[in-house]
Amino acid sequence: EAQVTQNPRYLITVTGKKLTVTCSQNMNHEYMSWYRQDPGLGLRQIYYSMNVEVTDKGDVPEGYKVSRKEKRNFPLILESPSPNQTSLYFCASTLHGTSGRPDTQYFGPGTRLTVL
Amino acid sequence: AQSVAQPEDQVNVAEGNPLTVKCTYSVSGNPYLFWYVQYPNRGLQFLLKYITGDNLVKGSYGFEAEFNKSQTSFHLKKPSALVSDSALYFCAVRDINQAGTALIFGKGTTLSVSS
Repeated sequence: EAQVTQNPRYLITVTGKKLTVTCSQNMNHEYMSWYRQDPGLGLRQIYYSMNVEVTDKGDVPEGYKVSRKEKRNFPLILESPSPNQTSLYFCASTLHGTSGRPDTQYFGPGTRLTVL
Repeated sequence: AQSVAQPEDQVNVAEGNPLTVKCTYSVSGNPYLFWYVQYPNRGLQFLLKYITGDNLVKGSYGFEAEFNKSQTSFHLKKPSALVSDSALYFCAVRDINQAGTALIFGKGTTLSVSS
């Protein structure tokens, strides 16, 4: 089954304790992206990756890191989480990373993160 | 700058009545437009998209959307609402000339269908 998976689905942590949220897709998609969803703000892009070893900042990258060492995985890293990073996070992937293509983004189930 | 506006935080309709969820957009070039739905405790699911061609786009679950270039709108519609349509709906836009395929999302509209 074609899908985007995220782990963990729920996470409660404390300020400053490094964490990683994994994202994996089995569709051989080039493009992967991380969003955060906050009430009243919709979804905002954190980072994206056009392909392996190619990453770039989205609209709200502060406090986050990503890596893209292989095509299927795109982990989101919070080196020193803070309470304002409490949010619902979604990973997404799209077949192509080039502009001009109307590819549909496929979303993972979401990771609800609480930082105390 | 690209932007999407969903002017209504919530839309309430009775089951069997037609529904409309509004969306307006702003892009510098030509838009690709999308609608996604989010059910409670679930990820976003793709409903439909407009690329080019016919202004009326048909999607999943009986939904359709009408692209209106002069009004820069892409309203989501369904002729007869179901209680199971109750969910959070997001409109999204991408400028076809914008690298990175980033989607710009609206803030979402909660659709509540009463029986």
